[in-house]
Amino acid sequence: GENVEQHPSTLSVQEGDSAVIKCTYSDSASNYFPWYKQELGKRPQLIIDIRSNVGEKKDQRIAVTLNKTAKHFSLHITETQPEDSAVYFCAASMGDYKLSFGAGTTVTVRA
Amino acid sequence: EAQVTQNPRYLITVTGKKLTVTCSQNMNHEYMSWYRQDPGLGLRQIYYSMNVEVTDKGDVPEGYKVSRKEKRNFPLILESPSPNQTSLYFCASSLKPGQAYNEQFFGPGTRLTVL
Repeated sequence: GENVEQHPSTLSVQEGDSAVIKCTYSDSASNYFPWYKQELGKRPQLIIDIRSNVGEKKDQRIAVTLNKTAKHFSLHITETQPEDSAVYFCAASMGDYKLSFGAGTTVTVRA
Repeated sequence: EAQVTQNPRYLITVTGKKLTVTCSQNMNHEYMSWYRQDPGLGLRQIYYSMNVEVTDKGDVPEGYKVSRKEKRNFPLILESPSPNQTSLYFCASSLKPGQAYNEQFFGPGTRLTVL
């Protein structure tokens, strides 16, 4: 099955700086790559996703890039704010239903 | 309000005592899934269902059962719970797979402790 690795496991950034989280996947047939944000005690929520026919997608301060050849994708958060503090999960999927998640990255934004 | 609900939210039980965690969605989603979340392991899929009466194993199905008799409900059954099933469980649902907009909506989670 699909194996998704996520790095780093924890990330501390100064408010206003950028944060980057990287994921690699094993199955070249995977074609859908969502990112979820989970605030403390809350449920995961989708923040951005990308499909394999797109190399980059941006939504305000967050962006995701995909390198199909290298089988890795990354989440970029610019101008970080305290409300960006959360656990972020990447995931990969074939056919948009069976999601395989990374282990998560705990992001702390220091004021 | 469009939502996924789970019950109970918290449960403490003992080894071997059968339990059911209910999941219900009101968005007419065809796809539903169960995950468990453990520290350092992320979210691991237990079972998923593509539609009524159609279910399949995820990555960690051992010790769990599911059923999908109605579109809106997808209960998770632990016939004989063991301490290694202590975890945070999430139910999720989404539109028919393959749709352009395919966000998975998660329930609030059920924290299960098996003594």
